[in-house]
Parts: sequence; structure tokens; C-alpha cells
Amino acid sequence: KAGVTQTPRYLIKTRGQQVTLSCSPISGHRSVSWYQQTPGQGLQFLFEYFSETQRNKGNFPGRFSGRQFSNSRSEMNVSTLELGDSALYLCASSWTGESNQPQHFGDGTRLSIL
Amino acid sequence: GENVEQHPSTLSVQEGDSAVIKCTYSDSASNYFPWYKQELGKGPQLIIDIRSNVGEKKDQRIAVTLNKTAKHFSLHITETQPEDSAVYFCAASPYSGAGSYQLTFGKGTKLSVIP
Repeated sequence: KAGVTQTPRYLIKTRGQQVTLSCSPISGHRSVSWYQQTPGQGLQFLFEYFSETQRNKGNFPGRFSGRQFSNSRSEMNVSTLELGDSALYLCASSWTGESNQPQHFGDGTRLSIL
Repeated sequence: GENVEQHPSTLSVQEGDSAVIKCTYSDSASNYFPWYKQELGKGPQLIIDIRSNVGEKKDQRIAVTLNKTAKHFSLHITETQPEDSAVYFCAASPYSGAGSYQLTFGKGTKLSVIP
């Protein structure tokens, strides 16, 4: 069974640009969560999608947004990039997100802002 | 919101010895506590988890204990091997409403197993 797939693995952008990251969950998983990982702040929750609806959102500015498609694949978008957005962005999927089902992570997209 | 503290931040052990990592959480509503292992260049890998209705869980050389009263949980790795070297994260998961649960992570423990 294929795991969570994130593309691209690496991205280099400049300040002010925007970026879109993609996540394909494990087959059959319907909940997709996004996390930002930095050396200073650690792993922080961005948002969670289920059945194409955002169910939960962390404390990030509105520049961070996402969406989920009918096949459960998800994208996240960051607009007006800042240097502080440099991070590893991780996607995790689970069956439904209810009853605290295990979340399985992809290997992430490393975003570097110049 | 939930806050998870993890100790120690770094841990070095001799191969074959045991390693213990401890975490505390603040939200008594948290009822699910997973542990993840992250190797260089990889995403976190779920290695074991425990729910609040269980006090201890084992899987081969790995065990997790949970004390709900004290709000702390621990990861125990016995007979450590060099391939256990990685960063380990604990997490707690309270209910966030609308059927959603989010993971709040500790800051991580870098485990080094010395051959």
C-alpha cells in the first residue's frame, strides 16, 4: 500500500512569490492535515481537511490556505512568501480523523525562501 | 490549547542499553498519544500510540506508559541499536470540534545510540 506522497520534495522561491504544495493521502484515507516544521518552532498544525471541507485551522496567517479535492488529494498554498516561511511542510492522512485515528506522514516538501 | 513538554532534548546511550523519553501534557481532554520517529530527510513515522483508557502498551522493544492523573507519558526503548538513532516526537491529541483532532507535538528528542 503506497504511503502519503508529497510533491515537490524541494522548492526554492523568493520573497513575495506564492507556492502550491501537493499531498496524495494513503488510499482510502479521507482526512488530510498539514503541519509546518521548523528548527525553532518544531511541528505546528496548519489545518485539516475532510470531505473537501476545512474542519480545523491552526494559528497561521491567512496567507496560508488549502483545499481538498473529491479524491481526497489536498493542496496547500502560501501567498506573499516571507523569509520566515522557510520550513519543511508535512502532510498527514488518516481514515476519517474521528476517534483519534493514527495519522501517517509523508516525507514533506522542503521550502526555501531567498 | 494543548501544550506538550518533552525531555530530554538530546539523549546518548550505549548500544544495548535502554532509553527513556518523557512528555507531559496540559489538556485533560487529550485522549490519544502517539510517538513518532523522524530520520534525516524523512517525515515522522508512527512507531507506537496509546489511548487514554490504557496504561501501558508494548511492541517488541518499544513500550509506552501513560499516567492520566499526572498528565505524563513516556517512551521506553530497550536493547537499543544504532538504527534507533533518530529524533523522537511525542504528541497529544485533544478533540478540536466538528469531528476533528489535531496533534500537538513536543519539541523532540535526538537519540544517539553509540555502537
